[in-house]
Amino acid sequence: EVQLVESGGGLVQPGRSLRLSCAASGFTFDDFAMHWVRQAPGKGLEWVSGISWNSVSIAYADSVKGRFTISRDNAKNSLYLQMNSLRAEDMALYYCARSNRPVYPDSYMDVWGKGTTVTVSS
Amino acid sequence: QSVLTQPPSVSGAPGQRVTISCTGSSSNIGAGFDVHWYQQLPGTAPKLLIYGNYNRPSGVPDRFSGSKSGTSASLAITGLQAEDEADYYCQSYDISLSGGVFGGGTKLTVL
Repeated sequence: EVQLVESGGGLVQPGRSLRLSCAASGFTFDDFAMHWVRQAPGKGLEWVSGISWNSVSIAYADSVKGRFTISRDNAKNSLYLQMNSLRAEDMALYYCARSNRPVYPDSYMDVWGKGTTVTVSS
Repeated sequence: QSVLTQPPSVSGAPGQRVTISCTGSSSNIGAGFDVHWYQQLPGTAPKLLIYGNYNRPSGVPDRFSGSKSGTSASLAITGLQAEDEADYYCQSYDISLSGGVFGGGTKLTVL
């Protein structure tokens, strides 16, 4: 079964850091680009970051650029999101999603995890 | 303010047809990038509904259809059913932002 399972969410104070992980199974992980998408409470979906199959191409939303870092370990079938200098507006449910292609531009997300919740509060 | 614009809500009675619009610009939909649609049922993760403007993944009923023209796209749902009540999002790629973009989402209510 194709599956994505996020972890690492939790309560963190403003200005602190958190690292999210996404474990992939049921497919050849390094055949696909991957994305992080977030959803603030009661709000819509926001694309956060994308990474190509070989980590050569990476992009971020302007709202997180310079603070978040996406990475992947194909040997471990895992995707990561290092989040630094967290703000109240970063509080959201963070989804890991598989791209339909090895590269992320002009792609869609055909497999989604259930998400992990990040709460930013003092 | 989302890069892609969707109506906040639409509604229809069972059996009726509804459409949801998604309006972009020359840096995304108008630049030729595909539009994709997702359905998010309450309390669940989004699910791919339409990809590549009008293609349906296996298992998606043919009551759902997509189209694209110029800087806009539309999702049509015919034969509305109670189980279609959900949030719907369009998504594309923006060359100016060098990243993915979503619409603000449309809440479909089945009356």
